Amino acid sequence: RKEVEQDPGPFNVPEGATVAFNCTYSNSASQSFFWYRQDCRKEPKLLMSVYSSGNEDGRFTAQLNRASQYISLLIRDSKLSDSATYLCVVSYNNNDMRFGAGTRLTVKP
Amino acid sequence: DVKVTQSSRYLVKRTGEKVFLECVQDMDHENMFWYRQDPGLGLRLIYFSYDVKMKEKGDIPEGYSVSREKKERFSLILESASTNQTSMYLCASSPWGGTNEKLFFGSGTQLSVL
Repeated sequence: RKEVEQDPGPFNVPEGATVAFNCTYSNSASQSFFWYRQDCRKEPKLLMSVYSSGNEDGRFTAQLNRASQYISLLIRDSKLSDSATYLCVVSYNNNDMRFGAGTRLTVKP
Repeated sequence: DVKVTQSSRYLVKRTGEKVFLECVQDMDHENMFWYRQDPGLGLRLIYFSYDVKMKEKGDIPEGYSVSREKKERFSLILESASTNQTSMYLCASSPWGGTNEKLFFGSGTQLSVL
């Protein structure tokens, strides 16, 4: 079983839609959680950290459920520019970050 | 802005060649990492370093070695390249300490071993 699992998608949604991705992790000792965004043929970039209480950044909301060992990312009012692959990242410490394989999102006009 | 620079964007090598992938960061970060990214597998950690001349194995170190002679530079070496090392290689850096430190990635090197 992979340490960090994501639905690979692709998720194809129209502009303005709300879309949600989940990610499950296997190690209960995980301490930190992140969502990274990766555009086609580009490097991953941090989208947002995920805090225990949940956090929001504009149209993006991230939540953590430690009991069930999953994190989620909700994107409201999808834009064409949101089209990318979203990587779930789980960390035990600063030097041990585990990446999911990514969920591909395509937002269509 | 932090800049992580990888020396080549695309590289084509032959089986058995020795390959050097160079990575330089300009923000005085202690930690540096080498990942490879393959479709369906995500990013997998090859080696990381938290200080000059220090190195630690990641999940898939076989067939690779690294060198960190200076804080800003972290090199990945393929001693004898094989076709299964064809992949996208990503270098990253982060500052020391904390549990919510952001990884800064280079733009990647797409290596093809023929």
